Amino acid sequence: AQSVTQLGSHVSVSEGALVLLRCNYSSSVPPYLFWYVQYPNQGLQLLLKYTTGATLVKGINGFEAEFKKSETSFHLTKPSAHMSDAAEYFCAVSEGGGATNKLIFGTGTLLAVQP
Amino acid sequence: DVKVTQSSRYLVKRTGEKVFLECVQDMDHENMFWYRQDPGLGLRLIYFSYDVKMKEKGDIPEGYSVSREKKERFSLILESASTNQTSMYLCASSPAQGGNQPQHFGDGTRLSIL
Repeated sequence: AQSVTQLGSHVSVSEGALVLLRCNYSSSVPPYLFWYVQYPNQGLQLLLKYTTGATLVKGINGFEAEFKKSETSFHLTKPSAHMSDAAEYFCAVSEGGGATNKLIFGTGTLLAVQP
Repeated sequence: DVKVTQSSRYLVKRTGEKVFLECVQDMDHENMFWYRQDPGLGLRLIYFSYDVKMKEKGDIPEGYSVSREKKERFSLILESASTNQTSMYLCASSPAQGGNQPQHFGDGTRLSIL
């Protein structure tokens, strides 16, 4: 069965500092991987996804993630944090092929950005 | 842009009531999903549907049922609400073209059961 582990339920960075949010997955088949962001009192918004091809994926708001098969990781980074990046971030893996597109979510990382 | 609309942002109900949460999507997606979100637990799948009148249980279906009579609408039903069902409920939809398609989410319904 597939699973996702997000290391660090809370991460705090200073404005302008590097953001690194960790995600490791477990999958017996080539995975499809997603990062979502949730701002307070809102639903989840897709940041970026990896399906096939280039392992470095660029998303919205200056975020990017690198798929590393050997490390079973899909960490999310942003070179310089902005106050508006404060939100909760979820990593997810698609539960294999087929038409149902079920996603397995990690437990989330709450990012705080200090002025 | 895909729009997933949940009928209520905030809802307060009493123990034992039958509660209906409604979700509508405007992109003709085949798949629709209901999750509940609790602090420290992430998103847990309650039910999903891959076609009209079709449904499958997710990870935590107990105490819930669903209805999908039209392709664009997916309803979550709490048959007899209990306080442990106080939570944030999120609806999502996606097309049927394999696991590489992202899910699109509504803004959520924060449900309190008193």
